[in-house]
Order: sequence, then C-alpha cells, then structure tokens
Amino acid sequence: GESVGLHLPTLSVQEGDNSIINCAYSNSASDYFIWYKQESGKGPQFIIDIRSNMDKRQGQRVTVLLNKTVKHLSLQIAATQPGDSAVYFCAENGPSNTGKLIFGQGTTLQVKP
Amino acid sequence: ETGVTQTPRHLVMGMTNKKSLKCEQHLGHNAMYWYKQSAKKPLELMFVYSLEERVENNSVPSRFSPECPNSSHLFLHLHTLQPEDSALYLCASSQDLGTANYGYTFGSGTRLTVV
Repeated sequence: GESVGLHLPTLSVQEGDNSIINCAYSNSASDYFIWYKQESGKGPQFIIDIRSNMDKRQGQRVTVLLNKTVKHLSLQIAATQPGDSAVYFCAENGPSNTGKLIFGQGTTLQVKP
Repeated sequence: ETGVTQTPRHLVMGMTNKKSLKCEQHLGHNAMYWYKQSAKKPLELMFVYSLEERVENNSVPSRFSPECPNSSHLFLHLHTLQPEDSALYLCASSQDLGTANYGYTFGSGTRLTVV
C-alpha cells in the first residue's frame, strides 16, 4: 500500500540552529499534507499543513516545503529551541470521505543546549 | 488539553484481564478514531466511527472491541490481550469523515502494557 516515510529516525541540532525534517510520500494523488508534533507523554499536535497547489507555506518559525516532482515534503524550524524537542510526523490525506490519514514513521528531534 | 480526553493515561493489565479505554470529545465532532502507536512504526488505524456507526475495522483482532454510544464518547474494550499489544493507543476526532483529510484532533493517549 501507499505510505509516507521519513528519511531519518533521529535528528540532533544545536539550540538556535535551523532544523530540517524530511518526508517522502508515495501517492502522487495526495493533495493535502500535514505535519504533526508529538511531545513525550502527549498525543500528536497539528503544526502546519499545505495543499498540493502550493510549494511553500510559512507559519510561526516553521515552514513547510512541498516538491511534487520528487514527492518530497520538508519541515523547517527556525532558531530551534529546547521546546521543539519532540517526534515529528508527516501525514497525507487518504481516500476521500474515509476519514483516513496516512502517517509517516516519525523523526525524533533532539535539541542540544 | 486538546479537547479530546483519554482515560486512563496508563494501564497495566494481565493477559486474562478485561479492561476498557475511554475517549471523550466535546468539540462537536462527528467522526472518531482509534489508532495504535508502537515504537518505530507509523500510526496504525484501528477503527473509524462516523455518527456513532463503525465505518472501518482495519483488520483488528477481535480481542479489541470498540463501542461508540454517542458522538462524544468512544471506548475500546480489551480482553485476552497479548504482550505485543502493548503500545500507546490514541483516540482522535474530526468534524466528519470528509474533513478528516484536513487533520485530526488527538487525545494524549493511553499507554498500555500487557504483562
């Protein structure tokens, strides 16, 4: 079946540096993508989303980039802070009106002080 | 709190026990979901409910039995589980099945350990 994958299981960055978390998706028909953040002991929390008719979307300190040619999604976090330490998931929409999202495996972001 | 509340937060149960996980949302959402989260694996969809009707059973063993008595509450009844069922069980909701494509609201999960 189709799946969404993340390139690295763990990413370690220095506080203040920028972080880039990557995701490869396999369903070229997907038209909506989401990044979730999951802190220890908590459920996934929505961070930012992007539709397939966009290449880039910016939020507060976060930017999502979508490259449909190579089916690649990335999350950029500017000036990474200790509070950014978490597991980050990408997800893509599943078939219409099924309620399904397809999740990637997750990248653990570790921020070093 | 995200608006989706799960209890208990932690549960340890023996393989012969029967227990239930509870999920509650007061967001006015019509669709609710159970997901299993195991280490180093993507989230696995277990069940989907829409307007209190089950619309998806994703090949889940019968030792897991969901119940949705109303649109605000979702239960997962557990019996004769196996150690490999130990995981974080996440409940989620969305306005409806169509808008689920735009993301869920997740609860904090129940950390289940089967001994």
